Amino acid sequence: AQSVAQPEDQVNVAEGNPLTVKCTYSVSGNPYLFWYVQYPNRGLQFLLKYITGDNLVKGSYGFEAEFNKSQTSFHLKKPSALVSDSALYFCAVRAWMDSSYKLIFGSGTRLLVRP
Amino acid sequence: AAGVIQSPRHLIKEKRETATLKCYPIPRHDTVYWYQQGPGQDPQFLISFYEKMQSDKGSIPDRFSAQQFSDYHSELNMSSLELGDSALYFCASSLVGTSGGIEQFFGPGTRLTVL
Repeated sequence: AQSVAQPEDQVNVAEGNPLTVKCTYSVSGNPYLFWYVQYPNRGLQFLLKYITGDNLVKGSYGFEAEFNKSQTSFHLKKPSALVSDSALYFCAVRAWMDSSYKLIFGSGTRLLVRP
Repeated sequence: AAGVIQSPRHLIKEKRETATLKCYPIPRHDTVYWYQQGPGQDPQFLISFYEKMQSDKGSIPDRFSAQQFSDYHSELNMSSLELGDSALYFCASSLVGTSGGIEQFFGPGTRLTVL
C-alpha cells in the first residue's frame, strides 16, 4: 500500500541545535516527495520537494531534506533551529492510487524549539 | 506572486445547515483539489477538478458536492452539516496541462465550525 510514515508525534530541540524530522515512505515507482509546514490556524506552506536529481534538496527557511532510496526515507533537517520554526510539519508523497495521482500525507510531526 | 485564495477564512454554522466554501486557484492553474483536515489529523483528499471536470474523488461524503466554474474557481457545497464536519478545509491548485501537476499549492484554508 502507498503510505507515508512520520514516526515521531513531536520533536523537541533547543534553539541553535540541529533538528531532524523523520519521514519514510512506501510507494511503487519513483517517489515525488514533499515537506510542508503548518503554523497554528494557518494553511500548508511548501518547504521543499524531491523529484529527481541530487539527493540533498534545499528548501525555504534554511531547511533541507535528504532522499535515501535504500532506506525509503526523506528526513527534514536544519543545521540550526530557531524558536520560530516551532510548527507542525507534514511529509507527503505523490502516489498513483485508484487510477490517478494523489498526494498522501503523513500524520504530521510537531516541532517544538525551546529558547 | 499570486497564491491560492479561499473564502471565507472562518465560518460558523449550526447542525443541519448548509455551507459554501470558495477557492480561487493561482492564475493559469487548471486543477483544483479540496482537502479536509480534522483536529489533530493530516489532510485528507476530498475531490479534484481538472479543466472544470471532476478528475478524482476521495473520501467526500455524499452530503458534499463541488464544482469548478468557467473562471476556474471552485466551490465546495456542504449540506446537512454535522458536528464532525468541523475542520479546516484546504484548497490547492496545480498546473497539470504543461507541468504534470506535480506540485500542489495550498490556500490558507477555511476553518468551519459546526455548532
